[in-house]
Amino acid sequence: QVQLQQSGPGLVEPSQTLSLTCAISGDSVSSNSVIWNWIRQSPSRGLEWLGRTYYRSKWYSDSAVSVKGRITINPDTPKNQFSLQLNSMTPEDTAVYYCVRSGAGYSATLFDSWGQGTLVTVSS
Amino acid sequence: EIVLTQSPGTLSLSPGERATLSCRASQSFGSSYLAWYQQKPGQAPRLLIYGASSRATGIPDRFSGSGSGTDFTLTISRLEPEDFAVYYCQRYGNSPRETLTFGGGTKVEIK
Repeated sequence: QVQLQQSGPGLVEPSQTLSLTCAISGDSVSSNSVIWNWIRQSPSRGLEWLGRTYYRSKWYSDSAVSVKGRITINPDTPKNQFSLQLNSMTPEDTAVYYCVRSGAGYSATLFDSWGQGTLVTVSS
Repeated sequence: EIVLTQSPGTLSLSPGERATLSCRASQSFGSSYLAWYQQKPGQAPRLLIYGASSRATGIPDRFSGSGSGTDFTLTISRLEPEDFAVYYCQRYGNSPRETLTFGGGTKVEIK
């Protein structure tokens, strides 16, 4: 059974960069049949997909238009984990951030395993 | 962009009662790529139903999903104390930019 364990700070100052890590157990970040995502949730925006990384003979990543240019998602194969970096943080980025696994093909956005969530507050 | 509208916003019921939650799409998907998630306070969402009617691993059979086209339903046959939570429907598919939409949620609260 896959487990996702998130780590990272809960408080980020405006204009700074958020860095979160998601450690995977029970699966491989390099699996050819799953995708590794970041999703956030806030009262104002609901559940919002941010971006993903996945391996299909080589590494791919893409992101939502709303955060494009600010987001980096990277795999770390030796540690079997993946990370999120979101820069130029503003108070509107305050949310609970989740790392999430999804499948392949038409299950690419079917989210079957979630991390525990990290409440990130953007404030000075 | 397809919009998913969930109703009611809040459902007040007693343990043992039947819960019927609705999810309506602004246009037909053309397929049953509809999922339901349960979220309890302070926890991440948990996948309950996919393919409109298939239960995810470990989900009790009191949870059932139905529907197609634009109208989908999640039914909880007899509410257990642990079922009081927020439920979200979601359209899924192969592209997060084109086939990913979440509904606004229905809260099932104890009456």
